[in-house]
Amino acid sequence: DTGVSQNPRHKITKRGQNVTFRCDPISEHNRLYWYRQTLGQGPEFLTYFQNEAQLEKSRLLSDRFSAERPKGSFSTLEIQRTEQGDSAMYLCASSLVSGVNEQFFGPGTRLTVL
Amino acid sequence: AQKVTQAQTEISVVEKEDVTLDCVYETRDTTYYLFWYKQPPSGELVFLIRRNSFDEQNEISGRYSWNFQKSTSSFNFTITASQVVDSAVYFCALSDDIHYNQGGKLIFGQGTELSVKP
Repeated sequence: DTGVSQNPRHKITKRGQNVTFRCDPISEHNRLYWYRQTLGQGPEFLTYFQNEAQLEKSRLLSDRFSAERPKGSFSTLEIQRTEQGDSAMYLCASSLVSGVNEQFFGPGTRLTVL
Repeated sequence: AQKVTQAQTEISVVEKEDVTLDCVYETRDTTYYLFWYKQPPSGELVFLIRRNSFDEQNEISGRYSWNFQKSTSSFNFTITASQVVDSAVYFCALSDDIHYNQGGKLIFGQGTELSVKP
């Protein structure tokens, strides 16, 4: 399968624990995006990378959140000291840098913080 | 600021009916892109269409059609002869123009949940 993959698909954790999610984009895509989606809402932008450079971060991305894309391929999103409000679906998308921005989404990681 | 509004939270139709999903957007950019995505119960967002701000030509793809009207900042989506498999949440999204080191994130509307009953 050559689509965007995300792991794990589901994560249940206790408040205060740290969690890390992984995203593997489509191989030739140099842009990688992270979004967060809560129940009944549209996805909200968190951050994006062009190759290994993190070019933009949303104000939604508090200092407990950190994202990396060390070799310009896969990316990780870490949440430290999780809170119940962090419970959401975390979506990853990738695209080519071109005049058009068709983003392809992965299946998401559903985080539940107890 | 950029914003996308999908005023219809839920729509329910009977199979074979036509249905139109509304999308209104706000942006100060002169060059921008509009998208529709489908999110079936499985959860994965599926790309349906992209339209740039300079192309107001309507598009038809099978049972799907899109009406882009810059004068009213709307990008509406019509499904003709709806089917049960069309049941999903549909999102309209807006993106600014991509320059090499900026731009490109998607701003989504709240989504419209379409239920097609047999």
